Amino acid sequence: DAKTTQPPSMDCAEGRAANLPCNHSTISGNEYVYWYRQIHSQGPQYIIHGLKNNETNEMASLIITEDRKSSTLILPHATLRDTAVYYCIVRVLIQGAQKLVFGQGTRLTINP
Amino acid sequence: DAGVTQSPTHLIKTRGQQVTLRCSPKSGHDTVSWYQQALGQGPQFIFQYYEEEERQRGNFPDRFSGHQFPNYSSELNVNALLLGDSALYLCASSLLGPGTGELFFGEGSRLTVL
Repeated sequence: DAKTTQPPSMDCAEGRAANLPCNHSTISGNEYVYWYRQIHSQGPQYIIHGLKNNETNEMASLIITEDRKSSTLILPHATLRDTAVYYCIVRVLIQGAQKLVFGQGTRLTINP
Repeated sequence: DAGVTQSPTHLIKTRGQQVTLRCSPKSGHDTVSWYQQALGQGPQFIFQYYEEEERQRGNFPDRFSGHQFPNYSSELNVNALLLGDSALYLCASSLLGPGTGELFFGEGSRLTVL
C-alpha cells in the first residue's frame, strides 16, 4: 500500500545539486512526507520531513507542491558519500500510532 | 547518547525454527516499531509497541509476535520460520503521539533461513 512513486535510479555529478522527485497524489491532508536514505546494508537515516511548507535543514531542502501531490528533495552540493537509496515516505497516523509506508526508493549515484 | 541498538546483527536459522530479535530504543524514546526489509525492497511495517502493548500491526501473519518491556526495549519473535522470512529486520524508536519527530532506525538484524 505504498503511497509514493519515485524513479528507480538517478545519477548526479559530485558538487552539483541532486534533485529527487516523488509523487504522492493520494496523500491525505494530515499525512506528512518524510525522506530517509539507506546506505548499503545500514539502517535508514532520517533526512527531512514536511507537511505543507518547504523545509530546509543542514542536510537537504524539501519542496512540496501547493496541491501536495508531489515533492522534491534537494541535496545542494552532492558528495560521493551521498550515494544511497533515497526513500520518499508518507507517514500514516492511526489512533496516535505512526507508520512509515516505504516505496521502492530511488538509487542515487554520485559520480566523481 | 546511544542510538537504537539491535542484536544479533546476523544469524542463520533453518526452516521451522523460531527466532528472537532484540532492540533497545534511543534514550528517551518510549515507542518501538519493527520493519522487515527483503533484499532489494523497501522496509515493510510489521508492528509498533507502546506501553507494552501492540498498537498497530501491518500485514504479517500471527507467526510474527512481539513484546515490549518496562524499560521500553523490545523483542520480535518469529515462529515456524519460512525461507521467505529471510530479510533484514529493522527496529525504529520514536515518541508516541501525533508529533512530527522522526523515527530513528537501528542497523538491523540480518536473518537467513536455510
